[in-house]
Amino acid sequence: DAGITQSPRYKITETGRQVTLMCHQTWSHSYMFWYRQDLGHGLRLIYYSAAADITDKGEVPDGYVVSRSKTENFPLTLESATRSQTSVYFCASSGDRSSYEQYFGPGTRLTVT
Amino acid sequence: KQEVTQIPAALSVPEGENLVLNCSFTDSAIYNLQWFRQDPGKGLTSLLLIQSSQREQTSGRLNASLDKSSGRSTLYIAASQPGDSATYLCAVGGLNSGGYQKVTFGTGTKLQVIP
Repeated sequence: DAGITQSPRYKITETGRQVTLMCHQTWSHSYMFWYRQDLGHGLRLIYYSAAADITDKGEVPDGYVVSRSKTENFPLTLESATRSQTSVYFCASSGDRSSYEQYFGPGTRLTVT
Repeated sequence: KQEVTQIPAALSVPEGENLVLNCSFTDSAIYNLQWFRQDPGKGLTSLLLIQSSQREQTSGRLNASLDKSSGRSTLYIAASQPGDSATYLCAVGGLNSGGYQKVTFGTGTKLQVIP
């Protein structure tokens, strides 16, 4: 599929479990981002990556781990899920340095019980 | 720290009305400003992107303006339709202290267009 995809689209997990959310883009964009969206907080940046093997923390990184060994993939791992990590997670990418326009994936709705 | 505010938080208008959504930001050192639409339970769809050197962008019934000096952007929707009902998000792009791209989002305006 062309564009940016996320998997799974829906996930229910238990407290303490490790879970990985996948993000894949086909444009070879240099930048990729992970956001979470919660009522009352809007979109908050968790981690971003400026290129393969370059990642850095965003506004709310605690409890999350990322890696980017390949340009097209940017997985987000919750090492030990907590109920406060119940949220909708969006992956985004941008690559055109003349515009830095962001493109979003469809989101993953994660519920931690 | 960049802060982005969108007022009003919610807006309800009758079909056919022209309307304006507002976005304000605190730091004028921006790279671009992007308007998104989000339907319930869905992802974000890019509507318009304005570069910092531009004053406005148009797409169909949508027109977005940017005034960097005053820290404001508006999204004008002409002849609103029920299908325009969604949440509209403003996102301000800049560079962080490391020189990397950073985007700050507003909390959105929820628009309802009544038939």
